[in-house]
Amino acid sequence: DGGITQSPKYLFRKEGQNVTLSCEQNLNHDAMYWYRQDPGQGLRLIYYSQIVNDFQKGDIAEGYSVSREKKESFPLTVTSAQKNPTAFYLCARTIGGSTGNTIYFGEGSWLTVV
Amino acid sequence: AQSVTQPDIHITVSEGASLELRCNYSYGATPYLFWYVQSPGQGLQLLLKYFSGDTLVQGIKGFEAEFKRSQSSFNLRKPSVHWSDAAEYFCAVGAEQAGTALIFGKGTTLSVSS
Repeated sequence: DGGITQSPKYLFRKEGQNVTLSCEQNLNHDAMYWYRQDPGQGLRLIYYSQIVNDFQKGDIAEGYSVSREKKESFPLTVTSAQKNPTAFYLCARTIGGSTGNTIYFGEGSWLTVV
Repeated sequence: AQSVTQPDIHITVSEGASLELRCNYSYGATPYLFWYVQSPGQGLQLLLKYFSGDTLVQGIKGFEAEFKRSQSSFNLRKPSVHWSDAAEYFCAVGAEQAGTALIFGKGTTLSVSS
C-alpha cells in the first residue's frame, strides 16, 4: 500500500452533499498529495501539502478542500461545488532525501455520485 | 509548458514478445523521471525511476528504461512480456525538491495476447 491508507475504498454520494476521503500515512513523511484519475485523462493534481498546516492548490482544486492538521493525515473533502465528482481518487506521499523525490501511492478511493 | 506525452493510448503485444512504451517530456528544470504501473481499480506501483547517472535504469518485474536527454524521452522496455504485465502504464516527470508534485502522462494500456 506504499505506506498510505485510504478509506473508504468505495463511496457513494448524493447530489449536493459533501463527502470526505481519508488518507493516512504511517511513515512520518512530510509531503502528501491528492490526485484525481478519470479514464483516458491520466492523473491530475488536486492539492498537495509539504508541511503541517500548509497546502497548495494543484491543477484542478476547484470544488475540493483539504486540511493538514497532523503530519500523518491529509483528508480530502469533495464539496457540492464540484461539478463532476465521480472519479477515482489517489492519495500519495513522498520519500525525499538522497534518493530524490519519489512519490508512493495508496490504493485509491472510488467516488460515485448517485 | 511542463508536460508528459505518451503517444500510444493502447498497445497489444504477444506473450513472449518484446515491449517498448514511449514517453516524451517537456520540463524546464533537470527532470526526474518515473514509470508507474496500475492494475484495474488499484493504486499506482513504482516500476523504476531516473534521477542521475547511468541513463539506462533497471526496475522491478524485468523492466528497464532509457533516458535520452537529446530526445526528451524516457522509454520503457521489457525483453519478454508476460500475460501478467497487462495493465496501464504511466510516465511521470518531477523535480529534485522533495514535496514537489509529479506531472503524469495520460497512460498507455497494455494488452497481452496469447
